[in-house]
Amino acid sequence: DQQVKQNSPSLSVQEGRISILNCDYTNSMFDYFLWYKKYPAEGPTFLISISSIKDKNEDGRFTVFLNKSAKHLSLHIVPSQPGDSAVYFCAVFSGNTGKLIFGQGTTLQVKP
Amino acid sequence: GAGVSQSPSNKVTEKGKDVELRCDPISGHTALYWYRQSLGQGLEFLIYFQGNSAPDKSGLPSDRFSAERTGGSVSTLTIQRTQQEDSAVYLCASSLGGQGLGGNTIYFGEGSWLTVV
Repeated sequence: DQQVKQNSPSLSVQEGRISILNCDYTNSMFDYFLWYKKYPAEGPTFLISISSIKDKNEDGRFTVFLNKSAKHLSLHIVPSQPGDSAVYFCAVFSGNTGKLIFGQGTTLQVKP
Repeated sequence: GAGVSQSPSNKVTEKGKDVELRCDPISGHTALYWYRQSLGQGLEFLIYFQGNSAPDKSGLPSDRFSAERTGGSVSTLTIQRTQQEDSAVYLCASSLGGQGLGGNTIYFGEGSWLTVV
């Protein structure tokens, strides 16, 4: 039973355009949502997060949107840069269990 | 060290052998997690240690997998009688605490790449 789903395994975007990465979750009790970025042969690194009490959080070129009624999370990167090419994982954090649950990841390729 | 340290970084083993993977969390972090990423797959939760509480082992895929954490610090993930489907990168992560601090304090190591031949 997959609690966190990233339905697009890959995304290709032109440099300078917007990248939109999507994530759906099943449990309305999750209270914290995160995006991690992973380069090949490296561990994931934290990118941006949002609490369940908010619907938007912005950090430079990265914005995360949360739609609680739809149980949907998205990450917008604008403008996209070739260095953004990586695998992006969304994750949900449950304060009750202390567990971080990841989606399958979306491979983003930003073309120069 | 400054970050989460894992060893070995790469391990090739024969099917049926046992392997041990080690994780040194960031000093002072009470929470420690093991995840696995197989080729083309997402990050799969394996086990979670929080302080002196009983670990959450709900993600361990079979009884061939076990993990322990000694002295609330270093953790060892053991895979017995390895199978080819165990080939993956095994990632360890640690955080200051679990509950109430959000997930952005979770830091990952660079992983142990296991290949079972």
